[in-house]
Amino acid sequence: DGGITQSPKYLFRKEGQNVTLSCEQNLNHDAMYWYRQDPGQGLRLIYYSQIVNDFQKGDIAEGYSVSREKKESFPLTVTSAQKNPTAFYLCASSMSGRSKAGANVLTFGAGSRLTVL
Amino acid sequence: AQKITQTQPGMFVQEKEAVTLDCTYDTSDPSYGLFWYKQPSSGEMIFLIYQGSYDQQNATEGRYSLNFQKARKSANLVISASQLGDSAMYFCLGGQGAQKLVFGQGTRLTINP
Repeated sequence: DGGITQSPKYLFRKEGQNVTLSCEQNLNHDAMYWYRQDPGQGLRLIYYSQIVNDFQKGDIAEGYSVSREKKESFPLTVTSAQKNPTAFYLCASSMSGRSKAGANVLTFGAGSRLTVL
Repeated sequence: AQKITQTQPGMFVQEKEAVTLDCTYDTSDPSYGLFWYKQPSSGEMIFLIYQGSYDQQNATEGRYSLNFQKARKSANLVISASQLGDSAMYFCLGGQGAQKLVFGQGTRLTINP
């Protein structure tokens, strides 16, 4: 079955450490996204990529970095510069990010919960 | 700028009753999409229904329907014959293009037996 796989599901980090969250999709989607969710709130966009080797900052990109070397993969690194990294991180993909009608449905992974100790 | 407002932080409904979750949007774009997603306690976001701004009819998907009132800028989700498994957070999203989607704050729906 096609879908998005995120790993790890739970991750603990000490302050000052970088961590990388994995996101892999086998849906043949062009566009991929990373969102952050804090308790009781909606999702906020961190980074997105519409095509391989290209990505754009979202609303809260500071302290995060991404790469898109393969169509299937869009890893997110939470750097030590991120002041409050404890959150739930969701990766998503869509067939294309360019549709003006907004008709591209986002498919989400199961999420990764990061806790800073 | 796009803004999505969900005014109901929590809703409690008896099993088998219908429930309406409110969503209002504010945009100056002539073309946009509105989505509803369900987030159970496991955390995964599950797509429920989509409405395009130019669609003439309200969208329906099984027990889910979207009451789209363009003049009032509302896109309420209606769940008919609610089930215990419908208990979850529900998010309304809107925007033009997937990378410009804005999320509402969500409504926590609890179905009582």
